Amino acid sequence: EVHLVESGGGLVQPGESLRLSCVASGFNFNYYWLAWVRQAPGKGLEWVASIDQHDRETYYVDSVQGRFILSRDNAVRSVSLQMNDLRADDTATYYCVRDTFGVYDSWGQGTQVTVAS
Amino acid sequence: EVVLTQSPGTLSLSPGEGATLSCRASQSVSVNSLAWYQQKPGQAPRLLIYGASRRATGIPDRITGSGSGTDFTLTINGLGPDDFAMYYCQHYISLPRTFGQGTKVEI
Repeated sequence: EVHLVESGGGLVQPGESLRLSCVASGFNFNYYWLAWVRQAPGKGLEWVASIDQHDRETYYVDSVQGRFILSRDNAVRSVSLQMNDLRADDTATYYCVRDTFGVYDSWGQGTQVTVAS
Repeated sequence: EVVLTQSPGTLSLSPGEGATLSCRASQSVSVNSLAWYQQKPGQAPRLLIYGASRRATGIPDRITGSGSGTDFTLTINGLGPDDFAMYYCQHYISLPRTFGQGTKVEI
């Protein structure tokens, strides 16, 4: 069974940084793209970033481009989202998802990020 | 950017009834690169349909996806307690991937 477990969320002030991690199990991690999708409180879903199997290609939504960095370590089956210069509108639950040709077929339980002063 | 517009915003139905949810794209979603997800309060979304009409693993056949081009539909026959939730469509024809704003199916 596929499992994705996120960690690293918390409360930070505007301008600060946070690093989210996601550890995967139950599938061949090296074969799949991974992505992060977020959901602001009471709002819909927003794709944030995706990374290819080999940590060579990364893509970001415009609103986080230049502030967020997505990376992965296949040896430990993990993906990380480094979030810098956080803003109030980054407040959301962040989901780690398995990205199968653009289809998000498995989701973690999410980790909450709150940016407030 | 492909904008997805879902309608209606809320669907109020009774158990046993059928639901028809619409997702319209601002431009053609070729190769039917359209997925549907279900989300219940406090839970992560779950994939229901991909490729516009292919059911994900474990999804019952009373849940059906259809459509092509710019107009897609999710149909749920015989609503059960488990079906009252929020539903989102999502395209994967290009970047950025985008989602519709959601349709809430409520009792």
